[in-house]
Amino acid sequence: ETGVTQSPTHLIKTRGQQVTLRCSSQSGHNTVSWYQQALGQGPQFIFQYYREEENGRGNFPPRFSGLQFPNYSSELNVNALELDDSALYLCASSPQGGGEGVEQYFGPGTRLTVT
Amino acid sequence: AQSVTQLGSHVSVSEGALVLLRCNYSSSVPPYLFWYVQYPNQGLQLLLKYTSAATLVKGINGFEAEFKKSETSFHLTKPSAHMSDAAEYFCAVSEGGGSYIPTFGRGTSLIVHP
Repeated sequence: ETGVTQSPTHLIKTRGQQVTLRCSSQSGHNTVSWYQQALGQGPQFIFQYYREEENGRGNFPPRFSGLQFPNYSSELNVNALELDDSALYLCASSPQGGGEGVEQYFGPGTRLTVT
Repeated sequence: AQSVTQLGSHVSVSEGALVLLRCNYSSSVPPYLFWYVQYPNQGLQLLLKYTSAATLVKGINGFEAEFKKSETSFHLTKPSAHMSDAAEYFCAVSEGGGSYIPTFGRGTSLIVHP
């Protein structure tokens, strides 16, 4: 069973640029969630996708957007990058629509640095 | 609204000593509670979860946590620390009734001395 994978592992971008991060969910999982983890902080929920539809969103501006594909892999896009966007971006997948109490399986993350 | 407070950003113990990591939550409905561990440069791994069954929850690697509704706490313990337990630990709470959107605490770094 393949776990959650993310690419790239590290990324350096300049303020104002756009970035796309990718996530492959664990086999059999139809729900993907994205989190931002700033240095020394806990993960902050960005949004969740269930069967290619957004299924919940945290307190992040519209320049954070996402997609989920028919194979349940997902992309996180961030436009007009700001210095505060520098963080570890985590993807997590879960089965059964990611319902109450369902465990999430996390990928290793993408470390984004904005200069 | 749900929230999580983890008391102590760093906890230092000697190898073989008791580990106690504190977590208090706020929730307007019966919560689901989780403990995750994060090793350097890795994602989060679930240690254990409480989903309204037994109040004492046993997890992986010898960890356990007890749900205490009266104290709104879900502290994580391990009887004997091992060097390999050194990591960042996160408590998370999720309320029911909709899409699963957990709130994480700020984390506690566990340091284990030989």
